[in-house]
Amino acid sequence: AQSVTQLDSQVPVFEEAPVELRCNYSSSVSVYLFWYVQYPNQGLQLLLKYLSGSTLVKGINGFEAEFNKSQTSFHLRKPSVHISDTAEYFCAVSEQGGSEKLVFGKGTKLTVNP
Amino acid sequence: GAGVSQTPSNKVTEKGKYVELRCDPISGHTALYWYRQSLGQGPEFLIYFQGTGAADDSGLPNDRFFAVRPEGSVSTLKIQRTERGDSAVYLCASSLTSGSSYEQYFGPGTRLTVT
Repeated sequence: AQSVTQLDSQVPVFEEAPVELRCNYSSSVSVYLFWYVQYPNQGLQLLLKYLSGSTLVKGINGFEAEFNKSQTSFHLRKPSVHISDTAEYFCAVSEQGGSEKLVFGKGTKLTVNP
Repeated sequence: GAGVSQTPSNKVTEKGKYVELRCDPISGHTALYWYRQSLGQGPEFLIYFQGTGAADDSGLPNDRFFAVRPEGSVSTLKIQRTERGDSAVYLCASSLTSGSSYEQYFGPGTRLTVT
């Protein structure tokens, strides 16, 4: 079974500051890794995913994440945030060769202040 | 194009009643997933369909929960004898096919409140 830990439930930052949202996972098998974003009153939207290859993955809206197998981490970063990045961010894993189901963390609420 | 749609957007029901929640996936998507999101938590997997069949129903919490997808498109999640603990947002997602891009497209959810 897999599990995902998002270490920060809330992250407040100022506009144009850099941000890192942390994600660690636990699994006995190889996994695929995802970050989803949920804007207020909207559905979940995929930001980026790691399936294989380069461990640095670039996504939409200027976000990127780095897969670190030894530390079982997949932290999300953005060098300069905007007010519009205020949202809930979810890290998720799925088992390679498994049933496709996503196992999510509890989420991190990012609030960007002016 | 149209995304995943879910109806109703909100449902209030009394404890003990039966409810049905509907999901219309993106046209042509063969894989369909149901998740449940309780307040302050991430989505929790319930069931996954590939075509008409349930490929993985390991997340259904008990036998009060049942889902169908008779024609391989629209899916209905059915909850019998609802309990207050069933209150949550029920999310549906679809993907083009299993093992493709692994991207699941989510609907806006149905907020279920059991009073």
